[in-house]
Amino acid sequence: GEDVEQSLFLSVREGDSSVINCTYTDSSSTYLYWYKQEPGAGLQLLTYIFSNMDMKQDQRLTVLLNKKDKHLSLRIADTQTGDSAIYFCADRDTGRRALTFGSGTRLQVQP
Amino acid sequence: DAGVIQSPRHEVTEMGQEVTLRCKPISGHDYLFWYRQTMMRGLELLIYFNNNVPIDDSGMPEDRFSAKMPNASFSTLKIQPSEPRDSAVYFCASSSGSLEQYFGPGTRLTVT
Repeated sequence: GEDVEQSLFLSVREGDSSVINCTYTDSSSTYLYWYKQEPGAGLQLLTYIFSNMDMKQDQRLTVLLNKKDKHLSLRIADTQTGDSAIYFCADRDTGRRALTFGSGTRLQVQP
Repeated sequence: DAGVIQSPRHEVTEMGQEVTLRCKPISGHDYLFWYRQTMMRGLELLIYFNNNVPIDDSGMPEDRFSAKMPNASFSTLKIQPSEPRDSAVYFCASSSGSLEQYFGPGTRLTVT
């Protein structure tokens, strides 16, 4: 079945860049997503990328997709303490409308 | 728009009791999804609807779980009877055309 994997934890200093990585197994994935979850809150959609794209930039966020290696990354420039949260990678294939989520990466930003 | 609305935000119940979780999707959205989040299994899809019709319920754990969407602005997820292993955060999400899914704040269910 489908599988989406992420590292569990990342710690960075305020002002540095953060890079969160994700790998997926479903070769028919059409869209790949990044969500942010703050403590006690729901999931906030940050950005998504279509599988025929290599890169997407949105303000401080840059998404890179290597379709050959099935590798997705989220780069957060100038990371702030408010970026501390759990970040989920998810994919969606052509046939199924629902998303398959990774286990989430906890980002800790140290002042 | 107020976003996806879920109620209650917290529910504590005893094993064997019936639990009903409620969701109001974003107006105009034609897809509605129910997800469950636990430490052990992460986020997993339970069921989703398109235009009020259940499309994929393969994630519903067992017959104790049922979901309905009587109209475009309301859905329920019912657990009867509830068990301690059902303790989790249950999220509802909605989308228009299923591309961008917007999540509600979740219902934290504790079954003792």
